[in-house]
Amino acid sequence: DAGVTQSPTHLIKTRGQQVTLRCSPKSGHDTVSWYQQALGQGPQFIFQYYEEEERQRGNFPDRFSGHQFPNYSSELNVNALLLGDSALYLCASRGEKRITGELFFGEGSRLTVL
Amino acid sequence: RKEVEQDPGPFNVPEGATVAFNCTYSNSASQSFFWYRQDCRKEPKLLMSVYSSGNEDGRFTAQLNRASQYISLLIRDSKLSDSATYLCVVNEMNTGFQKLVFGTGTRLLVSP
Repeated sequence: DAGVTQSPTHLIKTRGQQVTLRCSPKSGHDTVSWYQQALGQGPQFIFQYYEEEERQRGNFPDRFSGHQFPNYSSELNVNALLLGDSALYLCASRGEKRITGELFFGEGSRLTVL
Repeated sequence: RKEVEQDPGPFNVPEGATVAFNCTYSNSASQSFFWYRQDCRKEPKLLMSVYSSGNEDGRFTAQLNRASQYISLLIRDSKLSDSATYLCVVNEMNTGFQKLVFGTGTRLLVSP
């Protein structure tokens, strides 16, 4: 049973570029959340997708956008990259029991913006 | 004020020591509470849920004080393998969907 998978694992971009990160949730999970984790900080909630719609959003600018596909996989897009966008981007999924509070995280995509 | 606040540490303790981490949260409407563990350069994983009555899982004990909006984690008989960052997490419900809010994390280093 595959867990949450993310790609790419590492990438380097320059300021102003755009990036797309991908996530496949754990088998049987239908809700995907994205988090940004800067060095030495806890994960910060970006947004959550369920039934292909954004259901909740954290305090992130519109440069951060996402999508969920019918197979529950998801993408995170960041436009006009800034140096401060350098971070570990974590995808997490949750199954039917969405109230339990247990998120299953992927290993993350480490983005470096130069 | 941060939604979830923790002492970032690091806490340096010898093997066998007892160590306690504290956490406060600002949203009184928060519904459920957790401790997650994150190893260096790895993803966070659920350690345990936190209940008002207090709960224990082996060497780990978690407590919640809703009135004070305070959460704690106690680790007894520390092992080298306990070295990690411990994240205090609060679950906020909104429009039927929950959002997990993470603290900065408290780093624990257990030495021989």
